[in-house]
This record gives sequence, structure tokens and C-alpha cells, in this order.
Amino acid sequence: GDSVTQMEGPVTLSEEAFLTINCTYTATGYPSLFWYVQYPGEGLQLLLKATKADDKGSNKGFEATYRKETTSFHLEKGSVQVSDSAVYFCALSLFEYGNKLVFGAGTILRVKS
Amino acid sequence: NAGVMQNPRHLVRRRGQEARLRCSPMKGHSHVYWYRQLPEEGLKFMVYLQKENIIDESGMPKERFSAEFPKEGPSILRIQQVVRGDSAAYFCASSPPGLAARGETQYFGPGTRLLVL
Repeated sequence: GDSVTQMEGPVTLSEEAFLTINCTYTATGYPSLFWYVQYPGEGLQLLLKATKADDKGSNKGFEATYRKETTSFHLEKGSVQVSDSAVYFCALSLFEYGNKLVFGAGTILRVKS
Repeated sequence: NAGVMQNPRHLVRRRGQEARLRCSPMKGHSHVYWYRQLPEEGLKFMVYLQKENIIDESGMPKERFSAEFPKEGPSILRIQQVVRGDSAAYFCASSPPGLAARGETQYFGPGTRLLVL
């Protein structure tokens, strides 16, 4: 079946450090890929997305590139801030299945000042 | 433009009671998805609805759970005879009307946190 695997956390970084959160996927078709962020007690917010191979999604200094050859969509940011502390979810959707989202388990990011 | 609204935000039920969770999609949206987030886990798809139609309920438990999205009013997720294992955060998401587009963004509500005592 379709699945998403992302690196386990928590990831603890100092402010201004470089961030990478790995995400790989398995899909029966040609998925669209997403990163969502969840702040404590809140719902999910779309961070970025990519719908075809080699597309790069970017937002608020975060970016991720859709790599079909390695079935990956790793999230990166060059310099994290304390306000980036949250849970990050990688997800895929398949148009053939009504665009329902399949999520990874989530990665907790903690940024220390 | 108000976002996706869910109520109540917190719901406490005793075992055997019924829980009703409501979701009002973004204005103009006609696709609604429900997801469940168990403690320390990611979100799992439950059901996908359009107005008056259940499109995909492959993630719904076979018993006690039902969902609807009537022509007028919010979408309702109903859990009958709740058990402790139903304690979770339930999120609703919506997407724009018309034929679904590939990679369509879903907009999430703040969730309902259900606690079963």
C-alpha cells in the first residue's frame, strides 16, 4: 500500500542551525507530496507541496524537492528559529484515490535559543 | 474568509455515550475529509465526503462510526457507544468545489480533542 516514512524525532537544534528532516514514500501511482506543520494545540497548516518530479516547493525559508528516483521529499531550512518549533508531517496524495492524504508519523522539532 | 471550523474543540464523554463532531468547511468548499490522530501518532484518513455523498469511507471503523455531509449545514462525524480507544484528535479538512485537481491543497480545521473516560 501507499506509505510515508519520515525520520524519527525529536530533533533538537540550536537557533540558526541547518535543518534536514528526511521523508521517503511508497506509492502505487504518481503522488503529490506535501509538508504540513502542526503547532501545539492547533490543526495542520500546509507548509509546501510539489506535484511532479523535480519540482521544488518552498515557503518561509523551508524547501523540499520531489525526487522520483529516490522516492524522497526531504525538508530543509538553512537557519532555523525558535518559532519553527513544531511537529512536521510529510504526506502524499493520489488523485486516483480522491486526494486523501497519507501521512508520515511526524517529526518533532525543538529549536533552542 | 473564515477557515475550516470545528466544534466542539474539546469533548469529554463516558464510555457508552455518543460523540458528535461538527465541521464547517471553508466557504465555497464542497469536499470534506476526516482524519484521526491517535496520541503520539500521525494522522490517519477516515472518510471523504462531498455534499450528500460519501465518496470513500475505507478508513472508517466498521462499527459505531458514521459520517454525513448534508446539503445544508456542517459535516458530522458520529461515534456511538464510545470506548477509551476512541480518545484522539479528530481533524476535518476541506478543499475547493468542482472536479478534484491533482495535488489539491486541503485546509485543516483546529480539530476536536475527544477524551473518553
